[in-house]
Amino acid sequence: NAGVTQTPKFRVLKTGQSMTLLCAQDMNHEYMYWYRQDPGMGLRLIHYSVGEGTTAKGEVPDGYNVSRLKKQNFLLGLESAAPSQTSVYFCASRAPHGGSGELFFGEGSRLTVL
Amino acid sequence: AQSVAQPEDQVNVAEGNPLTVKCTYSVSGNPYLFWYVQYPNRGLQFLLKYITGDNLVKGSYGFEAEFNKSQTSFHLKKPSALVSDSALYFCAVRGTSFSGGYNKLIFGAGTRLAVHP
Repeated sequence: NAGVTQTPKFRVLKTGQSMTLLCAQDMNHEYMYWYRQDPGMGLRLIHYSVGEGTTAKGEVPDGYNVSRLKKQNFLLGLESAAPSQTSVYFCASRAPHGGSGELFFGEGSRLTVL
Repeated sequence: AQSVAQPEDQVNVAEGNPLTVKCTYSVSGNPYLFWYVQYPNRGLQFLLKYITGDNLVKGSYGFEAEFNKSQTSFHLKKPSALVSDSALYFCAVRGTSFSGGYNKLIFGAGTRLAVHP
């Protein structure tokens, strides 16, 4: 059981380039999340989705876009990368109503923007 | 809006001594509270949660946490620390009302636990 898988694990971009991070989960979870982790700031919620075809903004959505075309996948896009977006990105998923609320995390994607 | 505060950047404990990692929260309605642990270069792993009921909840690896509604706190504890407990610990809160952030899990900044032999 793979759980939550993120690709790529590492990426280096130049300022202004674009890229997409892919998150895939095989637990049939409705809810999916993208967080970024920065030293001293913990995890901050970028965007989330409560089901296929839905997305919503989190705490720090600017500069990012997301899509949830399929239930198992949640894509995070950077249209024009900036050095401030250098971070470790984590995807997570959870079961909906009635579930324990526990989030299952991927291993992270480390992005460096030069 | 939901928020979580972890007032200590780092906690240092000698092996065998009890440990406490502090967490306070703010949320509309009754909270769902969580603790997660992160080992180097890994994703977060679930430790324990408080949903309702007994204020003392037990979790993985011998950890427990005490929910205190009047102090809006959810401190993580362990009676006897191990060197292998050294890691980064995150407290998180989710609201139980749709206006109180039902869908969002908000994390604190994290506390680094260092257990010395």
